[in-house]
Amino acid sequence: GENVEQHPSTLSVQEGDSAVIKCTYSDSASNYFPWYKQELGKRPQLIIDIRSNVGEKKDQRIAVTLNKTAKHFSLHITETQPEDSAVYFCAATLVSGGYQKVTFGIGTKLQVIP
Amino acid sequence: SAVISQKPSRDICQRGTSLTIQCQVDSQVTMMFWYRQQPGQSLTLIATANQGSEATYESGFVIDKFPISRPNLTFSTLTVSNMSPEDSSIYLCSGLDVHSGNTIYFGEGSWLTVV
Repeated sequence: GENVEQHPSTLSVQEGDSAVIKCTYSDSASNYFPWYKQELGKRPQLIIDIRSNVGEKKDQRIAVTLNKTAKHFSLHITETQPEDSAVYFCAATLVSGGYQKVTFGIGTKLQVIP
Repeated sequence: SAVISQKPSRDICQRGTSLTIQCQVDSQVTMMFWYRQQPGQSLTLIATANQGSEATYESGFVIDKFPISRPNLTFSTLTVSNMSPEDSSIYLCSGLDVHSGNTIYFGEGSWLTVV
């Protein structure tokens, strides 16, 4: 089955700096890679995603890159703000017809220091 | 995005009892899933809720402990049976939104504490 490794497990950055979280996956058939942000006591919320036919996607201060050959993808947050503090989960998804299997990484606790 | 509601949001349960969590989704959701998230941990898939048939369980989870129903497209229940303190966790209902490129959305979660 799919195995997703995520690192670092914790990350502290100064406000205004950039943060990068990296994930690797094992199943080359995985074709959809969402990122979720989970604030304390709240549900995971989708923040950005990328599909296997795209190498990079950007949404304001957030970007995701995908290297299919190396089987790794990364989340980049620029100009970090205190409200970016949360746990971030990557996921690798196999979507095939009516079947979908999602495997999550262990999560990265991001702390943005004002 | 899909709207997913679940209840209860929080409960304290006695050891040995069972609790049923309900999940309601809107019509954009096709597949429904149940996840468990233990404190400070990642999301672990319990099972896929199948409409009108038995759920598909992941390794380590069994129907006797986590019976799941999905009588129609937009409603599912998860029961945590014969609870022990190890079952203290957040249980999350989720749905796959076919109109958003098969993105998975989560309910608010049900925080269960077993005493």
